[in-house]
Amino acid sequence: GENVEQHPSTLSVQEGDSAVIKCTYSDSASNYFPWYKQELGKGPQLIIDIRSNVGEKKDQRIAVTLNKTAKHFSLHITETQPEDSAVYFCAASSGNTPLVFGKGTRLSVIA
Amino acid sequence: DAGVIQSPRHEVTEMGQEVTLRCKPISGHDYLFWYRQTMMRGLELLIYFNNNVPIDDSGMPEDRFSAKMPNASFSTLKIQPSEPRDSAVYFCASSLFGKNTEAFFGQGTRLTVV
Repeated sequence: GENVEQHPSTLSVQEGDSAVIKCTYSDSASNYFPWYKQELGKGPQLIIDIRSNVGEKKDQRIAVTLNKTAKHFSLHITETQPEDSAVYFCAASSGNTPLVFGKGTRLSVIA
Repeated sequence: DAGVIQSPRHEVTEMGQEVTLRCKPISGHDYLFWYRQTMMRGLELLIYFNNNVPIDDSGMPEDRFSAKMPNASFSTLKIQPSEPRDSAVYFCASSLFGKNTEAFFGQGTRLTVV
């Protein structure tokens, strides 16, 4: 089955700097790659997703890139703000399988 | 819509007791997922339903765990008997259209078994 690896497990950045989180997946059939943000005491919430027919997607300060050949995808957050502090999860799935999540990255933005 | 609703938010129980977690998915969503979150293992899929029918329960850790979805608006996850290693946050999520679309998560139930 699918296996998703996520790095780093923790990340600290200064406010205003960029943050990058990377994930790799194992199943070449996977074609949907969402990113979720989990704030303390809450459930994960989708922030951006990408499908395998595109290589990059951007939404304001966040962007996701996908390299299907290498089977990896990344989340980029620019101009980080304290409210970006949270745990971020990547996930992958194909049409036949539910989402498989990475183990998460705890992002701390230091003011 | 109020989103996915889970109850209770917190549950503390003694080892050996039965625990029932409840979930109300978003109206109209045809997929429902139960996940368990721990520090060591992250978010693990336990079981999922499509149109109230269990499709894959291979993630259920032991026979002590069972899940039901008697109708489109309600699901339960039961642990009987509970053990300390079951302590975790349990999430219910629902989605529309299929498995590789956005899953909407509830607030979770934090279970502590002492």
